[in-house]
Amino acid sequence: DTGVSQDPRHKITKRGQNVTFRCDPISEHNRLYWYRQTLGQGPEFLTYFQNEAQLEKSRLLSDRFSAERPKGSFSTLEIQRTEQGDSAMYLCASSLAQATDTQYFGPGTRLTVL
Amino acid sequence: GIQVEQSPPDLILQEGANSTLRCNFSDSVNNLQWFHQNPWGQLINLFYIPSGTKQNGRLSATTVATERYSLLYISSSQTTDSGVYFCAVLNNAGNNRKLIWGLGTSLAVNP
Repeated sequence: DTGVSQDPRHKITKRGQNVTFRCDPISEHNRLYWYRQTLGQGPEFLTYFQNEAQLEKSRLLSDRFSAERPKGSFSTLEIQRTEQGDSAMYLCASSLAQATDTQYFGPGTRLTVL
Repeated sequence: GIQVEQSPPDLILQEGANSTLRCNFSDSVNNLQWFHQNPWGQLINLFYIPSGTKQNGRLSATTVATERYSLLYISSSQTTDSGVYFCAVLNNAGNNRKLIWGLGTSLAVNP
């Protein structure tokens, strides 16, 4: 068990560019979550998957944001036409669907949009 | 929706001191977790504690669900305890898996 991993750890991009982040959950976990965190705030829920099904999306997830988990394992989060307001830490977490549903977090991808 | 309030917002301790962090929530929950975010941004799950008391080394937590609060105790604090402590809750009826987070307590432990 190597924990949740995210790639890249840091991304600097220019406004208007597209970016894609990857998350690899803990191998036996069937739930995967994406959050966004800005300075001084707690994480904000973006979306979650159970296996390959995207079951809930926040209203924060505008049309420029899309997430996939095609085989129920790793997930990608894509942001199109980035804006400066997209600058944040993007966090991925995974859990095993059971009564406790404890979420384990990856190290995050820090996005800076210039 | 559920509101989560944490107190105090900031805390400075001398190494070796004890402290209590509080989390109040506005509605019934069946999932409550405490997390520590270290200065490098990594979130570590400390406790899953929707009710009752748990202990893990120098840390312990108590949730009184009927009164809608949870407490995190840190004893004999160390500099490595520095960071932000978050409380997150949800009522996972149906497909709802959206954790609601407080703003955190920022802890600095000085040597």
